[in-house]
Amino acid sequence: DSGVTQTPKHLITATGQRVTLRCSPRSGDLSVYWYQQSLDQGLQFLIQYYNGEERAKGNILERFSAQQFPDLHSELNLSSLELGDSALYFCASSVGDHPSYEQYFGPGTRLTVT
Amino acid sequence: DQQVKQNSPSLSVQEGRISILNCDYTNSMFDYFLWYKKYPAEGPTFLISISSIKDKNEDGRFTVFLNKSAKHLSLHIVPSQPGDSAVYFCAASPYSSASKIIFGSGTRLSIRP
Repeated sequence: DSGVTQTPKHLITATGQRVTLRCSPRSGDLSVYWYQQSLDQGLQFLIQYYNGEERAKGNILERFSAQQFPDLHSELNLSSLELGDSALYFCASSVGDHPSYEQYFGPGTRLTVT
Repeated sequence: DQQVKQNSPSLSVQEGRISILNCDYTNSMFDYFLWYKKYPAEGPTFLISISSIKDKNEDGRFTVFLNKSAKHLSLHIVPSQPGDSAVYFCAASPYSSASKIIFGSGTRLSIRP
């Protein structure tokens, strides 16, 4: 158990819909990262927040947005969903905002868009 | 454009032997490298890392080697154990900048008895 929780575990929705994925970091961690893993692909870095502020952006679509709240939990919002958005979405947390700080991953949310 | 490549999607190794997983990168700005291990239905877990000022880093049965001139790194597991069966991802990032870590597509390692 990494100490990072993600809800829900599974989500099935239709094209065009909007969903929200939630992540609670490990106690004491200030950084939250979001990743997408499509079928047979590596993890694609989407976005990082550190202590409530956006710190780095990867290949995140404009239809996707995220935020980190004062209690440090984070939400990833996916809108106008397309079939290609079906993937595993991982959240990770770390103490600092540098790659040298170990990232602890949650178990992921599996999103299926039908 | 895959900046981090793991060209072997799968690898089968006999228990007790050495497992060698390979990773190539193209971006010369990368100077910090990591390996993650992932079991089914779980998130990845950090295994070992190396910065470009070193060419080897060891942690128990796991050793990572970095060849900067060839832009190649490898993970050696000796001896391989059944619990090592998992998907292994290598990842790279610029040490000095924000955390835009680029992951490879993974290698599925199977340890056979």
